[in-house]
Amino acid sequence: GESVGLHLPTLSVQEGDNSIINCAYSNSASDYFIWYKQESGKGPQFIIDIRSNMDKRQGQRVTVLLNKTVKHLSLQIAATQPGDSAVYFCAEHHYGQNFVFGPGTRLSVLP
Amino acid sequence: EAGVTQFPSHSVIEKGQTVTLRCDPISGHDNLYWYRRVMGKEIKFLLHFVKESKQDESGMPNNRFLAERTGGTYSTLKVQPAELEDSGVYFCASSLPGGASSYNEQFFGPGTRLTVL
Repeated sequence: GESVGLHLPTLSVQEGDNSIINCAYSNSASDYFIWYKQESGKGPQFIIDIRSNMDKRQGQRVTVLLNKTVKHLSLQIAATQPGDSAVYFCAEHHYGQNFVFGPGTRLSVLP
Repeated sequence: EAGVTQFPSHSVIEKGQTVTLRCDPISGHDNLYWYRRVMGKEIKFLLHFVKESKQDESGMPNNRFLAERTGGTYSTLKVQPAELEDSGVYFCASSLPGGASSYNEQFFGPGTRLTVL
């Protein structure tokens, strides 16, 4: 599988705790955002998305929060499980342009 | 339904050699994207096909990279000649018709890990 960068931001959480992964985006005109999960040896997988006319969206065990004032996006994972261990990427999109990805955060779930 | 597939999964070549990566998108997905992630950095857009046409190739690093999508089905990405800085994981993604301005979900392949020695 793909090796993870030595300098990738890492978040370690205990199994069962909640995780919060943060992302700062660059373009104030971006109007659509996605969180992706990438497990070792696999491509990024869609988790949840949010449009700029919303500030919160919930899925199954995941919540995305959007703060357009400070251009900040976060992903909250409730009751983190070992299977949640992966690299998480945020991506922003602006009409007429392609997606721009963040650098990624590695989530490690401790037993 | 099969997802996006990429071949090979790994490729190790020497500087100056040529490598061709292949991507088979999900059937019916007109949009095909190539991305690259170098070690520890963000996933960067390379280019976008709509069917067989290049919609946006603004992310292609230089003219050593050539992408094709003959017939609007599978796509190839050739690097010739390869340089050390080309090492990384190359992802392909596809989505339903609608173009980059739409919000159709992009489905990613597993990637090709390219190592240039």
